[in-house]
Amino acid sequence: AQKITQTQPGMFVQEKEAVTLDCTYDTSDQSYGLFWYKQPSSGEMIFLIYQGSYDEQNATEGRYSLNFQKARKSANLVISASQLGDSAMYFCAMSRRGKSTFGDGTTLTVKP
Amino acid sequence: DTEVTQTPKHLVMGMTNKKSLKCEQHMGHRAMYWYKQKAKKPPELMFVYSYEKLSINESVPSRFSPECPNSSLLNLHLHALQPEDSALYLCASSQDGLAGGAASTDTQYFGPGTRLTVL
Repeated sequence: AQKITQTQPGMFVQEKEAVTLDCTYDTSDQSYGLFWYKQPSSGEMIFLIYQGSYDEQNATEGRYSLNFQKARKSANLVISASQLGDSAMYFCAMSRRGKSTFGDGTTLTVKP
Repeated sequence: DTEVTQTPKHLVMGMTNKKSLKCEQHMGHRAMYWYKQKAKKPPELMFVYSYEKLSINESVPSRFSPECPNSSLLNLHLHALQPEDSALYLCASSQDGLAGGAASTDTQYFGPGTRLTVL
């Protein structure tokens, strides 16, 4: 069974600063994918970044980077230069054979 | 283009009504998904279609009936729902189907969702 743990129900960050959202996972599989999604209050689930379990380099997408530490089973999301529009719920997820397991999410609030 | 569309955006229905949710993607994706999401909770997988065939049913009650008429379309037929079924229903698609024996770690792209209220 797969499990995703996000220990931060809510986070605050000042505009233009960087923030790290924590995610740890548990799986016995060797091949898996790790994802981060952003869900604003409108409800749409927006894909941010992907890390494959065999990828040696940390994934980056613009202001988003994924700090992947396989031995520690962690996949933290780093958002640099936070913007007011980054305020949303963020979900960490793991995918294996079509089944995605989501963490409980972290609500990020960016302060002006 | 990573667009998945869903209609309607909002739906209010009585417990005796029959309604359908529609999802469409034109990215050539071979797997499509239905999720249910309650407020402030993570999405819960309901169904997965791979190559237009139902591959995963997460023990969903029969009052929810999925249908995949073709590779671009996914419907969710609703009948005799309960108030506790009120939620955001999300559709998603991913590039590859769920090949037997192979791990599928494709990115799932989500639609904007349908907010369903059952009275």
